[in-house]
Amino acid sequence: QSVLTQPPSASGTPGQKVTISCSGGSSNIGGNSVNWYQQLPGTAPKLLIYSNNQRPSGVPDRISGSKSGTSGSLAISGLQSEDEADYYCAAWDDTLNGWVFGGGTKLTVL
Amino acid sequence: EVQLLESGGGLVQPGGSLRLSCVASGFTFSTYPMTWVRQRPGKGLEWVSTISGSAGGINTYYADSVKGRFTISRDNSESTLSLQMNSLRVEDTAIYYCARVGLGAWFGELPPDYWGQGSLVTVSS
Repeated sequence: QSVLTQPPSASGTPGQKVTISCSGGSSNIGGNSVNWYQQLPGTAPKLLIYSNNQRPSGVPDRISGSKSGTSGSLAISGLQSEDEADYYCAAWDDTLNGWVFGGGTKLTVL
Repeated sequence: EVQLLESGGGLVQPGGSLRLSCVASGFTFSTYPMTWVRQRPGKGLEWVSTISGSAGGINTYYADSVKGRFTISRDNSESTLSLQMNSLRVEDTAIYYCARVGLGAWFGELPPDYWGQGSLVTVSS
């Protein structure tokens, strides 16, 4: 049982916009930033969004993040086949004094 | 270029021990907090442990699931992060990732940004 809650799956067709949600609580997302990772099959996670809405260099601007209260969202527009991957949200938890993750959302490009 | 290379994984019996290492390059290792995150087969990511960087003394943090059994440490002279795992259980079977934590104004401000390729630990009789 993950501390952060994500839908297990999401899907879209090429060119569409997909949004993935992440729900937490006051000790994690409510008081700290939400971050997002992409994990392609058989590879390590890659940081996509940090501090709610910041993109590391090299991440395209069709990928965006937002936060409201104790929830965060990841949006991917102009969906491409290479976006097919698992996506995880993460946040620092002040009670656990560690990082907490969502259970992951498997994105399928139809 | 930031690189993190884990080693030390393998097959171990329940109750046994294993030591993972992660050699870092491409950045000033001593400055950055470092962390271990694991992923059980077919499952999601789980934070394991974090060690602070050189500023303000060394602090360590552990998930409840490994507290008292795992020990995180670092050798800044060798740019190496380690995870000593004792009293291993079947449920510790996972890929263990070493990751650099971003430098923020406070400890948890920025997330792990660069990750190694992972080291597989299998606990089985």
